Amino acid sequence: QKEVEQDPGPLSVPEGAIVSLNCTYSNSAFQYFMWYRQYSRKGPELLMYTYSSGNKEDGRFTAQVDKSSKYISLFIRDSQPSDSATYLCAMSLYNQGGKLIFGQGTELSVKP
Amino acid sequence: EAGVAQSPRYKIIEKRQSVAFWCNPISGHATLYWYQQILGQGPKLLIQFQNNGVVDDSQLPKDRFSAERLKGVDSTLKIQPAKLEDSAVYLCASSSTGYTDTQYFGPGTRLTVL
Repeated sequence: QKEVEQDPGPLSVPEGAIVSLNCTYSNSAFQYFMWYRQYSRKGPELLMYTYSSGNKEDGRFTAQVDKSSKYISLFIRDSQPSDSATYLCAMSLYNQGGKLIFGQGTELSVKP
Repeated sequence: EAGVAQSPRYKIIEKRQSVAFWCNPISGHATLYWYQQILGQGPKLLIQFQNNGVVDDSQLPKDRFSAERLKGVDSTLKIQPAKLEDSAVYLCASSSTGYTDTQYFGPGTRLTVL
């Protein structure tokens, strides 16, 4: 079993739709949870970062963490064609510095 | 502020050949990471440096991969000899101190082994 599981998609939605991206994890020791966005032929860039259960909002993006269920989500409201990218969830242990464990990524396409 | 620089961007080699990748992190960043991203998968950490010392190389295939970070700045990752399964994007990232600080990724080097 992989430490982090993520539905690879691909996911295709019309412009303006609400998008839900999800990851599950098996290691309850994970303390820090991140979402990265990766455009084609580019490196990942940090989108959202949280270390507690609950919701964190940043513009059109909301990150949700449920540690009891070992489940994290990213919601994108009013999706735009520019949101078309691969979204990677990532997690790290409290005591392992910056080592990130990534999910396999979900490829999202937002159609105009 | 300049981002993480990597070169070359693309490399095609035959199996059993050797190859080297170069990374220049963001100025002043103490921590440098090399990740391997196979097509359709998320990045996997190969090695983490704190200044010029190795923090974690538990997933580095040491029989064929080596990495160094001289003077705590630039880093090179080498593969010798390459195998078909080494075909991947090699990403370099850097962060300020390494403890939950944001990791900034370079564009990667896409390696194809024929």
